[in-house]
Amino acid sequence: NFMLTQPHSVSESPGKTVTISCTRTSGNIASNFVQWFQQRPGSVPTTVIYEAKQRPSGVPDRFSGSIDRSSNSASLTISGLKTEDEADYYCQSIDSSTDLWVFGGGTKLTVL
Amino acid sequence: QVQLQQWGAGLLKPSETLSLTCAVYGASFSGYSWHWIRQAPGKGLEWIGQINHSGSASYNPSLKSRVTISVDTSKKQFSLKLSTVTAADRAVYYCARVVAAPLHADYWGQGTLVTVSS
Repeated sequence: NFMLTQPHSVSESPGKTVTISCTRTSGNIASNFVQWFQQRPGSVPTTVIYEAKQRPSGVPDRFSGSIDRSSNSASLTISGLKTEDEADYYCQSIDSSTDLWVFGGGTKLTVL
Repeated sequence: QVQLQQWGAGLLKPSETLSLTCAVYGASFSGYSWHWIRQAPGKGLEWIGQINHSGSASYNPSLKSRVTISVDTSKKQFSLKLSTVTAADRAVYYCARVVAAPLHADYWGQGTLVTVSS
């Protein structure tokens, strides 16, 4: 099975832009099977991006997603950072042949 | 308003079986897949498995030998059983609803902390 590799942590200042990467170790990253979850401390995860670049209703357009097939990776970009964006972010993808889910290890975003 | 309400024993002894149930309110049961995901203290998310309304299930290979996910469509509930628990199974367990197309998780249960201690 494959793994999804994320940086352990990133930090940036309020108002700036940050990008979190998620690299699939084997098999092709498929855009229709990539989700990004936000988990604030002590809270249940919520979806901020699905199908690699789609935002659920209620998620601000400061959140965007993309796929880079050349590096077999997905990225989550948050612009105009706010302190409320401080959270753990997890990417997730699927082995399309088995429908098994895989989560990345998570990235802790600090906004300071 | 869709809600997932989960419950089950929060304290187990080693070798016992973890049993959690998730009830679905305010939505139909068919047309979605129903997942269990866990998170050990201070760690990341780990997918446990899923089931659809017809009872077809798939599991994380690392847990497959100990996991059973079942569904009771008449009650709009699905359940998780994890056998022979150890301290390594201490985690918050979440249930979640997943839309098939476009694929995304849209509702989660509140989470249940399960502790394993003798």
